[in-house]
Amino acid sequence: NAGVTQTPKFQVLKTGQSMTLQCAQDMNHEYMSWYRQDPGMGLRLIHYSVGAGITDQGEVPNGYNVSRSTTEDFPLRLLSAAPSQTSVYFCASSYFLAGGPRTGELFFGEGSRLTVL
Amino acid sequence: AQTVTQSQPEMSVQEAETVTLSCTYDTSENNYYLFWYKQPPSRQMILVIRQEAYKQQNATENRFSVNFQKAAKSFSLKISDSQLGDTAMYFCAFIEAQKLVFGQGTRLTINP
Repeated sequence: NAGVTQTPKFQVLKTGQSMTLQCAQDMNHEYMSWYRQDPGMGLRLIHYSVGAGITDQGEVPNGYNVSRSTTEDFPLRLLSAAPSQTSVYFCASSYFLAGGPRTGELFFGEGSRLTVL
Repeated sequence: AQTVTQSQPEMSVQEAETVTLSCTYDTSENNYYLFWYKQPPSRQMILVIRQEAYKQQNATENRFSVNFQKAAKSFSLKISDSQLGDTAMYFCAFIEAQKLVFGQGTRLTINP
């Protein structure tokens, strides 16, 4: 049981390049989300999905796209990377974010460190 | 917008001491959930404790307990008998609609 798997773990991009951060979970979770973590700012929600075919914006969605074609996968796309997108990115999943005894229990990946030059 | 604020960027205590981390939040909801997450140097996020707003009793999990003051919108985390393994970033979090919103974090160091 792998849990939440993110790839790649490290990536360096040049300004203007595009890339996709992959996220896969094998726990049959309906809820998936992407966060970015920056010093002094905690974790900020980029996009989230409550099920296959459904996505919505979080606090800082600009410059990022997502799709949810399957329950397992939730890729995050940077269309034209900017230095302000240098950060550590976390994918997280849950059965349902709110509801039942495991409310709010997100399972996180190990993070992906992205540097944009 | 609903927010979560942690006013202590860093804290440091000696092993076996008790330490309290502060968190305030803002919401217009009457029923909601609050959480404390721990992020050790490995970067893995771990749920420490959960509090439901309608429950009067403060949540406890072994050495971890909360002081939930609903009227003051305050949600502090107390760690008793602190251990070296408690060294981590601690994040207060709050569910807003379908979003888990985090505070800025408090870096806690337990010294031997």
